[in-house]
Amino acid sequence: NIVLTQSPATLSVTPGESVSLSCRASQSISTSIHWYQQKSNESPRLLIKYASQSISGIPSRFSGSGSGTDFTLSINRVESEDFSIYYCQQSYSSLLTFGSGTKLEIK
Amino acid sequence: AVQLVESGGGLVQPKESLKISCAASGFTFSNAAMYWVRQAPGKGLEWVARIRTKPNNYATYYADSVKGRFTISRDDSKSMVYLQMDNLKTEDTAMYYCTAAPAKDLWGQGVMVTVSS
Repeated sequence: NIVLTQSPATLSVTPGESVSLSCRASQSISTSIHWYQQKSNESPRLLIKYASQSISGIPSRFSGSGSGTDFTLSINRVESEDFSIYYCQQSYSSLLTFGSGTKLEIK
Repeated sequence: AVQLVESGGGLVQPKESLKISCAASGFTFSNAAMYWVRQAPGKGLEWVARIRTKPNNYATYYADSVKGRFTISRDDSKSMVYLQMDNLKTEDTAMYYCTAAPAKDLWGQGVMVTVSS
């Protein structure tokens, strides 16, 4: 199975800062990576699909990049509503997997 | 409205069975691959099962943790997807989400399944 390793586990930032979250795959997965945001007691929400494709209704401050094994979710100037947990997911394999998540918290 | 609504969760004892359902509306269900994703209390997301569409022979795939115990199915005529869970274990306790992501950003509200004696 393809293992996704997200880092850091927790990221403490001040609103207005820009951040990068990392997701590394155990083997090359082309651009078959997707990013989700999950707020407390809510269902996940898709932010970015296929590494860099934007999703309708998602603020433009969210962007994704990468290919092969290394992927990044960037948030330009974090806002208060962005403090939550972020997960990456791969669909390269028929057996999908998620990373363990990065918690973005207020510093 | 475009939505997914799960039902059928509850409290069961270890080794028992439970079937949860997901009703889809507002989109062409028959064209969408569907998935079940779960989240144990205080833990991260875990992909559970996937079912493809009719042109792909309704192919199914399972996480290793549930293979041989869980069965995903769909009824395109009713826009429903199901998860039959047999021989349940305490570690299957989780919120179960029905989703069409990543092709569609569409998630249900989740249904809680608790396995405890």
